[in-house]
Order: sequence, then C-alpha cells, then structure tokens
Amino acid sequence: DAKTTQPPSMDCAEGRAANLPCNHSTISGNEYVYWYRQIHSQGPQYIIHGLKNNETNEMASLIITEDRKSSTLILPHATLRDTAVYYCIVRVGNQGGKLIFGQGTELSVKP
Amino acid sequence: GAVVSQHPSWVICKSGTSVKIECRSLDFQATTMFWYRQFPKQSLMLMATSNEGSKATYEQGVEKDKFLINHASLTLSTLTVTSAHPEDSSFYICSAIYREITDTQYFGPGTRLTVL
Repeated sequence: DAKTTQPPSMDCAEGRAANLPCNHSTISGNEYVYWYRQIHSQGPQYIIHGLKNNETNEMASLIITEDRKSSTLILPHATLRDTAVYYCIVRVGNQGGKLIFGQGTELSVKP
Repeated sequence: GAVVSQHPSWVICKSGTSVKIECRSLDFQATTMFWYRQFPKQSLMLMATSNEGSKATYEQGVEKDKFLINHASLTLSTLTVTSAHPEDSSFYICSAIYREITDTQYFGPGTRLTVL
C-alpha cells in the first residue's frame, strides 16, 4: 500500500473550517483514500473514503486532486469535540486489506 | 450500523497471568478482524489479521505463542495475552471489516491492559 505524508499538527478556531492535507504521490489506480480519527484513549473512528471523486457525508468532505496524488479532508465547522489525531491511509478496496497507520495529524480546535 | 465492541474496556492483572480480550461485531458479520496495539503517544501498530475459521496471520515481530487469536464465529474474535509482563501493558484495539462498504474497517473502543 502507498505511504502517506501528513503534517504532524494543526490548529483550528472553533466554528471555522478545518482543512487537513494528505500527500499520497505513489498511490495506485485501485487504491482508495481512507480517513479515520482517534480521540484520546478511544478506538479510531471512520470518517470518509474515496477513490477519485470528491465525497461528502454528515461528518466531512473529501477532496481528491485530479492526479490523485493528494487529498484534503474538510471539517466544515470544527467544534472542540473534533480535537483528535486524524489519519489518512491509502489501501486497495474490496480486498479486505489491512490498514497501516502513520503518525497522522494532531488537530487542536481552540475556542 | 457497523458497531464493534470490546470487552473488557480495561483490565489490570499480575505478571505471569493470562488475559483474554473479546472483540464483537454487533450488527454485521465480519469474516476478517484485525488486532492492533498502541503505546502512549504512538500510532496504532497492526499485530495480526484474524480470519473466521482459520489461523491468524501475524505481523513480523509479533509472537504468535504469546498473543493467541481465535476467530471462532463471524461476530467474535478473541485475543489472549499469555504470561503477561509489564511490557505488554498497552492499549489493544480490534477492528472488523464491513464488506458492504468497500471493505471499510470499523474499530472497537479499545482495551487498556495494565500488567503489574
């Protein structure tokens, strides 16, 4: 599976949009981009995933560049409860493959 | 939907004893489950892949005789830490694959193991 690069930490003001970048320049054509987050002392929570089209759900939006070498997770109106470590992972879909976690981005939402 | 539970949520045991952790998919069947370990201020590290009805596949460096994994049904996998030592103290997390959503993995809440 392709490796990803994320900034180690980011700050965001409460109520503003949080834009979390992820680089995955070696992604293969059949690899999906998955985003998870982990709030302190809890199991990771699935947020969203996509292949090449932009995706949106009740939690976030995922913007994937046309060349698929990078993506951005957008939390439209960040709250204090969104403070967590966010992980961007690429993985082949529909094959039951394992997830390999990097260091992620520690997002701090401040009042 | 896609809820994964773990039991217990935390456990304290004496050195040399064995501890069993259960992972259940509550509202879906999971032919594949995974076990992770997380030390303080570190990322999740995959320990093993558990497939229903077959032997688990362990990652390099993980002792299969120390970390026994059983996946006896489509909704239950167990991890037994045998002869636990203080260095086994960690946060153990399981996940299960929900095939209906592009094989998305859903995670349990984790089990905090402290070995005295």
